[in-house]
Amino acid sequence: NAGVTQTPKFRVLKTGQSMTLLCAQDMNHEYMYWYRQDPGMGLRLIHYSVGEGTTAKGEVPDGYNVSRLKKQNFLLGLESAAPSQTSVYFCASSYDRGGSNQPQHFGDGTRLSIL
Amino acid sequence: AQSVTQPDIHITVSEGASLELRCNYSYGATPYLFWYVQSPCQGLQLLLKYFSGDTLVQGIKGFEAEFKRSQSSFNLRKPSVHWSDAAEYFCAVQAGTYKYIFGTGTRLKVLA
Repeated sequence: NAGVTQTPKFRVLKTGQSMTLLCAQDMNHEYMYWYRQDPGMGLRLIHYSVGEGTTAKGEVPDGYNVSRLKKQNFLLGLESAAPSQTSVYFCASSYDRGGSNQPQHFGDGTRLSIL
Repeated sequence: AQSVTQPDIHITVSEGASLELRCNYSYGATPYLFWYVQSPCQGLQLLLKYFSGDTLVQGIKGFEAEFKRSQSSFNLRKPSVHWSDAAEYFCAVQAGTYKYIFGTGTRLKVLA
């Protein structure tokens, strides 16, 4: 059971370059999320999706775009990378069972450095 | 404002000693609470969750947590720590259908 899979695991970019982070889940979860984790700041929500074809902004959306073309995939894009986007990025997914909310399942993270 | 506070950034305990990690939350409604553990270079793994009912919840790896509404706390405990428990621990509250608020984490070091 793969759960939540993130690719790539590591990446180094130059300022101004673009890239896409891929998140895939095989649990048929409706909800998917992108977080960034920075030292001393916990996890901050970038964007999230409540279903195929829908996305919404989280706490720190600037500089990022997302797409959810298929239920199992959630893509995070950086159009023009900046050093401030150096971080560890986590994807998560969850489902809602009859109004009782469930915990999130996390991928192993993508470590991104912007030079 | 909705928030989660983990007042201890670092905690060091000896192997075999007991452990308590503190978590305080600020949330107006009945909270859904979680504890996650993060090992180096890995994602967050759910240790336990509280939704309702018994205020003492049991989790994986021998961990438990107690919800105290009067103190707005959800502290994590383990009677006897193992060296493999060294990791970073995050408390979180679900503050809406799609909104989870995480604390800044407590890094646990275990001395042999």
